[in-house]
Amino acid sequence: EAGVTQFPSHSVIEKGQTVTLRCDPISGHDNLYWYRRVMGKEIKFLLHFVKESKQDESGMPNNRFLAERTGGTYSTLKVQPAELEDSGVYFCASSQSRGRSYGYTFGSGTRLTVV
Amino acid sequence: TQLLEQSPQFLSIQEGENLTVYCNSSSVFSSLQWYRQEPGEGPVLLVTVVTGGEVKKLKRLTFQFGDARKDSSLHITAAQPGDTGLYLCAGPNSGYALNFGKGTSLLVTP
Repeated sequence: EAGVTQFPSHSVIEKGQTVTLRCDPISGHDNLYWYRRVMGKEIKFLLHFVKESKQDESGMPNNRFLAERTGGTYSTLKVQPAELEDSGVYFCASSQSRGRSYGYTFGSGTRLTVV
Repeated sequence: TQLLEQSPQFLSIQEGENLTVYCNSSSVFSSLQWYRQEPGEGPVLLVTVVTGGEVKKLKRLTFQFGDARKDSSLHITAAQPGDTGLYLCAGPNSGYALNFGKGTSLLVTP
């Protein structure tokens, strides 16, 4: 089966610009997650979709970040306007189950650099 | 937030050596996962441990979950260059999000 696909793989934008990241989960996976790793820090949770609904968005840094998952398929994460501290690697993951033993499949990530 | 501390942060060893990396927390986790990440890729799930005291083996990798479910260890026997990577432990919070440790960066040289 195809894995979790993210694009672009890299993005360099100027402060104040807008960037949209896309994630295509594994087909049939209802659960989709966004995570971010800022340099020197651990990977941190941003939000969780179940199908098209936001189950948990407690990790979203502020209202400059907007995530959508129209139709419960692919998801986008938009940052507008981007700030320097938004630089990092953004990972998307999907899973089929939400049980105690669930396992995530991660995409390769989008490396965002804000200059 | 349930913090996960991983040690050591960096580890450089020769091929054939054994090693153990640790994942510790002051909080109890219902389960812990171990991932391996290579440069330019996302984390890849190695194992999930669920029961306190559980031991799981994956070829030369042995994973143990502490009896109190607050810590875990990963032991690699006869390390090979292909084992090089960033090893991450992660545990679920009260919801379904994962809390990650910062990872142990392992380098195995021939």
